[in-house]
Amino acid sequence: DTAVSQTPKYLVTQMGNDKSIKCEQNLGHDTMYWYKQDSKKFLKIMFSYNNKELIINETVPNRFSPKSPDKAHLNLHINSLELGDSAVYFCASSQLGEMNTEAFFGQGTRLTVV
Amino acid sequence: ELKVEQNPLFLSMQEGKNYTIYCNYSTTSDRLYWYRQDPGKSLESLFVLLSNGAVKQEGRLMASLDTKARLSTLHITAAVHDLSATYFCAVAVSGGSNYKLTFGKGTLLTVNP
Repeated sequence: DTAVSQTPKYLVTQMGNDKSIKCEQNLGHDTMYWYKQDSKKFLKIMFSYNNKELIINETVPNRFSPKSPDKAHLNLHINSLELGDSAVYFCASSQLGEMNTEAFFGQGTRLTVV
Repeated sequence: ELKVEQNPLFLSMQEGKNYTIYCNYSTTSDRLYWYRQDPGKSLESLFVLLSNGAVKQEGRLMASLDTKARLSTLHITAAVHDLSATYFCAVAVSGGSNYKLTFGKGTLLTVNP
């Protein structure tokens, strides 16, 4: 039973297209994240949502728009895709507060823009 | 801005040898994490270190935290091929809803027979 699941796992698309990546967690966590891992494997946070509220937005282009319909879901929509958007995108979740846990990661979505 | 530095970034070692990966960070933090990533896979949590002097061990891996020195180490004992992976340390700053992890660049470990 997957704890943090992302779809799709692979996404190949042309420049200028709009695409979405979906993420769901069944851990009951209150906080969800999107991280980007570039070709050098460097991981950087993009967004954080706590109880459906945007908490962290790390100078990500406006073409990236996260949406959290409920605590268990955090989707990422990307408009007008560019070559430089090619990367692996990881969704993660954690529980904040007294029961602060480590972040649990999904399997990643490898986005290739051609 | 928090900076997290890992070294070495690349580590090639023989089976049976010992080695240590270092993780330095630039500001006060109350928790540090070690993750493992296999090629093309997700990140797997290895250790959560919450206090100064914390030491945790799992199999051939042992992690420690010195919050005064802002240093964590991941020690590998008698390496085996199955340990080949990329290892990341990640530091969390402050509590509350602004919680986020800042990752080091990762250490690519290759264990050769």
